Amino acid sequence: DTGVSQDPRHKITKRGQNVTFRCDPISEHNRLYWYRQTLGQGPEFLTYFQNEAQLEKSRLLSDRFSAERPKGSFSTLEIQRTEQGDSAMYLCASSPQPRRVGTDTQYFGPGTRLTVL
Amino acid sequence: GIQVEQSPPDLILQEGANSTLRCNFSDSVNNLQWFHQNPWGQLINLFYIPSGTKQNGRLSATTVATERYSLLYISSSQTTDSGVYFCAVGSKSTFGDGTTLTVKP
Repeated sequence: DTGVSQDPRHKITKRGQNVTFRCDPISEHNRLYWYRQTLGQGPEFLTYFQNEAQLEKSRLLSDRFSAERPKGSFSTLEIQRTEQGDSAMYLCASSPQPRRVGTDTQYFGPGTRLTVL
Repeated sequence: GIQVEQSPPDLILQEGANSTLRCNFSDSVNNLQWFHQNPWGQLINLFYIPSGTKQNGRLSATTVATERYSLLYISSSQTTDSGVYFCAVGSKSTFGDGTTLTVKP
């Protein structure tokens, strides 16, 4: 069990460019979450997958944001036409299918820090 | 949506002291987690505790779901306990703004 990994760890881009981040969850975790965290705040939920199905999307996820998990394993988060306000840490987490109520523990990756110039 | 308030926002302790961190939430939930974010930004799950009490070493947590609050206790604090402590509640894991803990040697 190597934990949740994210790539890249840092990304600097110019306003208007597209960026894509990747998240590899813990193997056999069928739930995957994306969050965004800005300085001094707690993470904000963006979207959630169970296997390959995207089950929930936050209103924070504008039409410039899209997430996929094509085979129910790794996931990608794409931001099109980046804006300076998109600068943040993008966090991915995974959790196993709960065997019983009370065991839905999320494990976070190290995050991708995006800076939009 | 669910509102989550954490207190205090900042806490400074001498090594060896005990502390209590609080998380209040606005609606009934069946999912509550406590996390520690270390100075490098890594979030570590401490407890999944929608109700009841759990202990893990020097840390323990209690959630009183009917009164919509949870407490995280840190005993005999160490410098490595420094960082930000978050609670997250609900199916979408709504996070509070955290308590920043600084433990001085």
